[in-house]
Amino acid sequence: NAGVTQTPKFQVLKTGQSMTLQCAQDMNHEYMSWYRQDPGMGLRLIHYSVGAGITDQGEVPNGYNVSRSTTEDFPLRLLSAAPSQTSVYFCASSYSGQGDTDTQYFGPGTRLTVL
Amino acid sequence: GQQVMQIPQYQHVQEGEDFTTYCNSSTTLSNIQWYKQRPGGHPVFLIQLVKSGEVKKQKRLTFQFGEAKKNSSLHITATQTTDVGTYFCADRRGGTDKLIFGTGTRLQVFP
Repeated sequence: NAGVTQTPKFQVLKTGQSMTLQCAQDMNHEYMSWYRQDPGMGLRLIHYSVGAGITDQGEVPNGYNVSRSTTEDFPLRLLSAAPSQTSVYFCASSYSGQGDTDTQYFGPGTRLTVL
Repeated sequence: GQQVMQIPQYQHVQEGEDFTTYCNSSTTLSNIQWYKQRPGGHPVFLIQLVKSGEVKKQKRLTFQFGEAKKNSSLHITATQTTDVGTYFCADRRGGTDKLIFGTGTRLQVFP
């Protein structure tokens, strides 16, 4: 299994540009989520999905859209990039979100810079 | 909203010394998970604590959940250079996998 994969690894955008960060998992996990990591602030939940066709907002959803058309893929869209969105983005997945112990598996991350 | 704070923010130790990071919440925690992130890497799951007062051990790592479920700690005995990284606690909301992460403690170990 490849686990959780993310593309691209690095990206530089200009203010106002849009782009999609890709995330895929091959573990048949129902639950997927996106986090952003900024220095000194830990990881903050952007959006999450409990299954195909179902998404919901996390702590910091503004400026981001998501969709979940398949179990495997959970892309994150930046509609109009702003410098405040410069961050490292992590995608994560887990089996069901209802087990007693549900390990979340994180992808390698995408480092995004918005100029 | 809920805040999960960790102290200290940074810790530098000599190899062989012990290390402890503390996780504190303004509200009652559901389940606590601990993650380790190596420099330039991604978070990797270490353990989950569920019950009040629970203590779990993994080799040199000891994890505790407070009696009131408002704090947790990770203690590393006799640190090694391989322990370098940032340690995060995260509150896993009951019935979901929504994680509220703590601010993290960055550990540096000098040989």
